[in-house]
Amino acid sequence: NAGVTQTPKFQVLKTGQSMTLQCAQDMNHNSMYWYRQDPGMGLRLIYYSASEGTTDKGEVPNGYNVSRLNKREFSLRLESAAPSQTSVYFCASSGLGETQYFGPGTRLLVL
Amino acid sequence: GNSVTQMEGPVTLSEEAFLTINCTYTATGYPSLFWYVQYPGEGLQLLLKATKADDKGSNKGFEATYRKETTSFHLEKGSVQVSDSAVYFCALKEGAQKLVFGQGTRLTINP
Repeated sequence: NAGVTQTPKFQVLKTGQSMTLQCAQDMNHNSMYWYRQDPGMGLRLIYYSASEGTTDKGEVPNGYNVSRLNKREFSLRLESAAPSQTSVYFCASSGLGETQYFGPGTRLLVL
Repeated sequence: GNSVTQMEGPVTLSEEAFLTINCTYTATGYPSLFWYVQYPGEGLQLLLKATKADDKGSNKGFEATYRKETTSFHLEKGSVQVSDSAVYFCALKEGAQKLVFGQGTRLTINP
Protein backbone atom coordinates (compact mmCIF):
# COMPACT_ATOMS: atom_id res chain seq x y z
CA ASN A 1 0.00 0.00 0.00
CA ALA A 2 1.98 2.98 -1.33
CA GLY A 3 -0.50 5.75 -0.36
CA VAL A 4 0.19 8.89 -2.39
CA THR A 5 3.11 8.82 -4.82
CA GLN A 6 4.62 11.70 -6.77
CA THR A 7 7.05 11.89 -9.65
CA PRO A 8 9.60 13.27 -10.15
CA LYS A 9 11.22 13.89 -6.77
CA PHE A 10 13.35 16.73 -8.07
CA GLN A 11 13.41 18.77 -11.28
CA VAL A 12 15.37 21.67 -12.67
CA LEU A 13 13.77 23.72 -15.46
CA LYS A 14 14.78 26.75 -17.43
CA THR A 15 12.40 29.69 -17.65
CA GLY A 16 9.79 29.02 -20.32
CA GLN A 17 10.06 25.24 -20.27
CA SER A 18 7.04 23.09 -19.53
CA MET A 19 6.61 20.04 -17.38
CA THR A 20 3.99 17.85 -15.76
CA LEU A 21 4.07 16.68 -12.17
CA GLN A 22 2.43 13.31 -11.66
CA CYS A 23 0.45 12.15 -8.64
CA ALA A 24 -1.29 8.85 -7.94
CA GLN A 25 -3.10 7.42 -4.93
CA ASP A 26 -4.12 3.85 -4.21
CA MET A 27 -6.58 4.53 -1.38
CA ASN A 28 -9.68 4.84 -3.59
CA HIS A 29 -10.09 8.46 -2.50
CA ASN A 30 -12.50 10.74 -4.34
CA SER A 31 -10.71 14.03 -3.67
CA MET A 32 -7.22 15.08 -4.67
CA TYR A 33 -5.24 18.30 -4.19
CA TRP A 34 -2.14 20.12 -5.34
CA TYR A 35 -0.30 22.47 -2.94
CA ARG A 36 2.86 24.46 -3.11
CA GLN A 37 5.07 25.03 -0.08
CA ASP A 38 7.22 28.14 0.17
CA PRO A 39 9.34 29.27 3.13
CA GLY A 40 7.35 31.20 5.70
CA MET A 41 4.08 30.75 3.83
CA GLY A 42 2.91 27.29 4.77
CA LEU A 43 1.06 25.33 2.12
CA ARG A 44 -1.15 27.06 -0.41
CA LEU A 45 -3.75 25.24 -2.48
CA ILE A 46 -3.22 25.44 -6.23
CA TYR A 47 -6.05 23.25 -7.55
CA TYR A 48 -8.23 20.48 -6.24
CA SER A 49 -10.52 17.82 -7.60
CA ALA A 50 -13.51 16.84 -5.50
CA SER A 51 -14.24 13.82 -7.66
CA GLU A 52 -13.25 12.22 -10.93
CA GLY A 53 -14.10 14.58 -13.78
CA THR A 54 -14.14 17.79 -11.74
CA THR A 55 -11.44 20.33 -10.94
CA ASP A 56 -11.53 23.68 -9.15
CA LYS A 57 -9.13 26.52 -8.54
CA GLY A 58 -7.56 27.04 -5.18
CA GLU A 59 -5.75 30.05 -3.75
CA VAL A 60 -2.89 30.30 -6.29
CA PRO A 61 -3.92 28.75 -9.65
CA ASN A 62 -2.25 31.19 -12.04
CA GLY A 63 0.37 29.57 -14.27
CA TYR A 64 -0.86 26.02 -13.63
CA ASN A 65 -3.26 23.54 -15.18
CA VAL A 66 -4.48 20.22 -13.86
CA SER A 67 -5.96 17.01 -15.18
CA ARG A 68 -7.87 14.42 -13.21
CA LEU A 69 -7.01 11.54 -15.48
CA ASN A 70 -9.02 8.98 -13.52
CA LYS A 71 -9.86 8.33 -9.91
CA ARG A 72 -6.25 7.46 -9.06
CA GLU A 73 -4.29 10.12 -10.90
CA PHE A 74 -4.15 13.93 -10.73
CA SER A 75 -1.47 15.77 -12.68
CA LEU A 76 -0.22 19.35 -12.46
CA ARG A 77 1.17 21.07 -15.53
CA LEU A 78 3.35 24.14 -15.83
CA GLU A 79 3.05 25.37 -19.41
CA SER A 80 5.76 28.02 -19.25
CA ALA A 81 7.77 27.84 -16.05
CA ALA A 82 8.82 31.00 -14.24
CA PRO A 83 11.34 31.48 -11.39
CA SER A 84 8.40 32.38 -9.12
CA GLN A 85 7.24 28.79 -9.48
CA THR A 86 10.35 27.48 -7.73
CA SER A 87 8.84 25.63 -4.81
CA VAL A 88 8.09 22.26 -3.27
CA TYR A 89 4.89 20.76 -4.64
CA PHE A 90 2.74 18.37 -2.66
CA CYS A 91 -0.12 16.22 -3.83
CA ALA A 92 -2.72 15.01 -1.34
CA SER A 93 -5.88 12.95 -1.35
CA SER A 94 -8.85 12.46 0.96
CA GLY A 95 -11.76 10.10 1.21
CA LEU A 96 -14.98 10.35 3.19
CA GLY A 97 -13.19 11.65 6.26
CA GLU A 98 -11.51 15.01 6.75
CA THR A 99 -7.93 13.77 6.82
CA GLN A 100 -5.76 14.57 3.83
CA TYR A 101 -2.90 12.18 3.00
CA PHE A 102 0.17 13.73 1.45
CA GLY A 103 2.77 12.51 -0.97
CA PRO A 104 6.52 12.99 -0.41
CA GLY A 105 6.71 16.12 -2.59
CA THR A 106 8.44 17.32 -5.74
CA ARG A 107 11.18 19.91 -5.42
CA LEU A 108 11.17 22.20 -8.46
CA LEU A 109 13.85 24.74 -9.32
CA VAL A 110 13.23 27.15 -12.18
CA LEU A 111 16.32 28.99 -13.39
CA GLY B 1 -11.39 35.07 4.46
CA ASN B 2 -10.32 32.32 6.80
CA SER B 3 -6.77 32.33 8.08
CA VAL B 4 -4.43 30.60 10.51
CA THR B 5 -1.56 32.23 12.39
CA GLN B 6 1.17 30.26 14.15
CA MET B 7 3.91 31.40 16.45
CA GLU B 8 7.12 32.38 14.76
CA GLY B 9 9.85 29.82 14.66
CA PRO B 10 12.24 28.27 14.77
CA VAL B 11 11.79 26.81 18.23
CA THR B 12 14.72 25.05 19.88
CA LEU B 13 14.31 23.03 23.07
CA SER B 14 16.22 20.49 25.08
CA GLU B 15 15.03 16.91 25.36
CA GLU B 16 12.31 16.43 28.03
CA ALA B 17 11.31 20.11 27.92
CA PHE B 18 7.67 21.22 27.77
CA LEU B 19 6.46 22.30 24.36
CA THR B 20 3.82 24.83 23.36
CA ILE B 21 3.28 25.98 19.78
CA ASN B 22 0.63 28.66 19.54
CA CYS B 23 -2.04 28.68 16.85
CA THR B 24 -4.91 31.11 16.42
CA TYR B 25 -7.45 31.24 13.64
CA THR B 26 -9.96 33.53 11.98
CA ALA B 27 -12.97 31.82 10.49
CA THR B 28 -16.66 31.97 9.85
CA GLY B 29 -18.41 29.50 12.12
CA TYR B 30 -16.58 26.69 13.87
CA PRO B 31 -14.44 24.75 11.44
CA SER B 32 -12.57 21.56 12.21
CA LEU B 33 -8.98 22.21 13.29
CA PHE B 34 -5.87 20.15 12.62
CA TRP B 35 -2.20 19.82 13.44
CA TYR B 36 -0.03 18.27 10.74
CA VAL B 37 3.64 17.35 11.13
CA GLN B 38 6.34 17.23 8.45
CA TYR B 39 9.48 15.25 9.22
CA PRO B 40 12.62 16.06 7.24
CA GLY B 41 12.34 15.07 3.58
CA GLU B 42 8.76 13.82 3.92
CA GLY B 43 5.23 14.96 3.19
CA LEU B 44 2.81 16.15 5.84
CA GLN B 45 0.97 13.71 8.03
CA LEU B 46 -1.95 14.28 10.37
CA LEU B 47 -0.91 14.55 14.01
CA LEU B 48 -4.28 15.30 15.63
CA LYS B 49 -7.57 17.05 15.04
CA ALA B 50 -10.64 18.47 16.80
CA THR B 51 -14.01 18.93 15.18
CA LYS B 52 -15.93 21.11 17.63
CA ALA B 53 -15.45 23.56 20.47
CA ASP B 54 -13.86 22.16 23.66
CA ASP B 55 -12.78 18.98 21.88
CA LYS B 56 -9.27 17.81 22.71
CA GLY B 57 -7.25 16.07 20.04
CA SER B 58 -4.33 13.89 21.13
CA ASN B 59 -1.73 11.62 19.59
CA LYS B 60 1.84 10.50 20.39
CA GLY B 61 1.84 12.55 23.61
CA PHE B 62 0.76 15.74 21.83
CA GLU B 63 -2.48 17.50 22.74
CA ALA B 64 -4.48 20.48 21.50
CA THR B 65 -7.82 21.85 22.70
CA TYR B 66 -10.29 23.69 20.46
CA ARG B 67 -10.97 27.01 22.25
CA LYS B 68 -13.68 29.04 20.54
CA GLU B 69 -13.51 31.87 23.12
CA THR B 70 -9.92 32.61 22.19
CA THR B 71 -10.08 31.15 18.65
CA SER B 72 -7.03 29.06 19.45
CA PHE B 73 -5.74 25.52 19.04
CA HIS B 74 -2.35 25.47 20.75
CA LEU B 75 -0.20 22.34 20.48
CA GLU B 76 1.40 21.00 23.68
CA LYS B 77 3.59 18.12 24.75
CA GLY B 78 4.83 17.49 28.25
CA SER B 79 8.25 16.02 27.44
CA VAL B 80 9.71 16.30 23.96
CA GLN B 81 12.15 13.91 22.36
CA VAL B 82 14.79 14.36 19.67
CA SER B 83 12.50 12.43 17.31
CA ASP B 84 9.90 15.22 17.62
CA SER B 85 12.12 17.53 15.58
CA ALA B 86 10.01 18.51 12.58
CA VAL B 87 7.90 21.30 11.11
CA TYR B 88 4.42 21.62 12.61
CA PHE B 89 1.46 23.09 10.73
CA CYS B 90 -1.84 24.24 12.16
CA ALA B 91 -4.78 24.16 9.73
CA LEU B 92 -8.52 24.66 9.53
CA LYS B 93 -11.07 23.11 7.23
CA GLU B 94 -12.71 25.54 4.84
CA GLY B 95 -15.90 24.47 3.14
CA ALA B 96 -16.42 20.80 2.39
CA GLN B 97 -12.82 19.81 1.75
CA LYS B 98 -10.21 22.53 1.58
CA LEU B 99 -7.57 23.12 4.25
CA VAL B 100 -6.11 26.51 5.13
CA PHE B 101 -2.64 26.18 6.67
CA GLY B 102 -0.58 28.36 8.94
CA GLN B 103 2.99 29.17 7.96
CA GLY B 104 4.52 26.31 9.91
CA THR B 105 6.80 26.23 12.96
CA ARG B 106 10.14 24.46 12.81
CA LEU B 107 10.96 22.60 16.03
CA THR B 108 14.43 21.35 16.89
CA ILE B 109 15.05 19.22 19.97
CA ASN B 110 18.62 18.95 21.23
CA PRO B 111 19.76 15.90 23.23
